[in-house]
Amino acid sequence: DGGITQSPKYLFRKEGQNVTLSCEQNLNHDAMYWYRQDPGQGLRLIYYSQIVNDFQKGDIAEGYSVSREKKESFPLTVTSAQKNPTAFYLCASRATGSGTQYFGPGTRLTVL
Amino acid sequence: AQTVTQSQPEMSVQEAETVTLSCTYDTSENNYYLFWYKQPPSRQMILVIRQEAYKQQNATENRFSVNFQKAAKSFSLKISDSQLGDTAMYFCAFMKHRAGNFGNEKLTFGTGTRLTIIP
Repeated sequence: DGGITQSPKYLFRKEGQNVTLSCEQNLNHDAMYWYRQDPGQGLRLIYYSQIVNDFQKGDIAEGYSVSREKKESFPLTVTSAQKNPTAFYLCASRATGSGTQYFGPGTRLTVL
Repeated sequence: AQTVTQSQPEMSVQEAETVTLSCTYDTSENNYYLFWYKQPPSRQMILVIRQEAYKQQNATENRFSVNFQKAAKSFSLKISDSQLGDTAMYFCAFMKHRAGNFGNEKLTFGTGTRLTIIP
């Protein structure tokens, strides 16, 4: 089945550790996005990538890093510099020429 | 910068009734897209419906329809014959559009409306 997968579903991190969230899609979409969702707020854009080996910062990129070495994959690293990383993280992708973004199932990150 | 406002934090309605969720937005753009996404308890974001600003006709998808008022910058979602499976958070989202290019356009979301369908 075509779709977007995110792993793990739940992730726990100790303070001071870096963690990487996985996002994979087999929809042949060029563009991919990472959003953060906090209680009582809508989604906020962290990073996005239009094509392989290219990505841009979104509204809240501080403390995060990404890579786009393959079209199918767009991993997000939450670094120790991110002051309040506990949140729900959603990955999305979009086909070229389409304005619609489709979302993965999300990863819940909790800092202990 | 664009803003999206959903003024109803929570709503509830009896099963089989009709409910309307409100959304207003602020933009100086003339070309854009508007979306309604649904987030059930599983937290997966699911596209419900989308509207292109250049289209005067309101979009419909089965039991879901929108009332798009471009001059008033209003984009409400109507759910007819509501079902228990419609219980979810509903987010309104905006994306500006340069003709033929979606390259660096991002979605701007409202804060959501929590809809509960009562059996």
